[in-house]
Amino acid sequence: DAGITQSPRHKVTETGTPVTLRCHQTENHRYMYWYRQDPGHGLRLIHYSYGVKDTDKGEVSDGYSVSRSKTEDFLLTLESATSSQTSVYFCAISPDRGSEQYFGPGTRLTVT
Amino acid sequence: AQSVTQPDIHITVSEGASLELRCNYSYGATPYLFWYVQSPGQGLQLLLKYFSGDTLVQGIKGFEAEFKRSQSSFNLRKPSVHWSDAAEYFCAVGGYNNNDMRFGAGTRLTVKP
Repeated sequence: DAGITQSPRHKVTETGTPVTLRCHQTENHRYMYWYRQDPGHGLRLIHYSYGVKDTDKGEVSDGYSVSRSKTEDFLLTLESATSSQTSVYFCAISPDRGSEQYFGPGTRLTVT
Repeated sequence: AQSVTQPDIHITVSEGASLELRCNYSYGATPYLFWYVQSPGQGLQLLLKYFSGDTLVQGIKGFEAEFKRSQSSFNLRKPSVHWSDAAEYFCAVGGYNNNDMRFGAGTRLTVKP
C-alpha cells in the first residue's frame, strides 16, 4: 500500500468553525489531491497540487482552500464549516500527470 | 464534459457465480480508465487501469476489464466471485490533465453464500 496517512480520521465540529485536514505521504509523489465522497456522487475533486506551492481548483472547490509547503504534506482547510461540508474526505497521490491515483484511508467530518 | 455512469447501484450475486459491473463514460479525448474497489470504512484500492494498447486488461484479485471504444464502455468482470469481493466498486475516467478525473457513483456488490 502507498504510504498515505490522513489526520484526523474522524472529526465533529460546529458550523462556522475553521477545520484543517492533513494528508501526509512518504512516496515522494509530485501530485496530490483532495476529494470528497458523498452517497450517490462517487468522489468529487476539491483541489489538487502539482508541486510545492502549486495548487489548482477542482470540481467542487467553493468553501475550501489548500496549501502545500512540503512535498509530503497537503492541507485542506474549511475556513468556516457548513453542514453541507459533512462528508468523507479522501486524499490521493499520483507519481505522474494523468496516472493512477492512490488513496488514503479517509477522514469522516461531521459539521453540526 | 467528462462523466461516468455506473447503471447498477446495487448487485447481488452468489458466491462462485460470474460477475460483470457496467461502466459507461463520456470523454472528449483518449480516455484513461480505472476501476477501484472500496471496502467499508476504507480508502479506494486500484484494481486495474487502461491507458492504451490491448483493450482487455488484467488486474488484481482476478478481475479484468474490457475497453470498448465504440460503446464508450469499460466493464469489469470476474469469472468466479468470492465472499471477500463484497464491496463498492468505482469506475473512473481521466486524461492527461490532473483535474480531469471523474468517478462514477459506484456499484455496491453483495455476495450471497
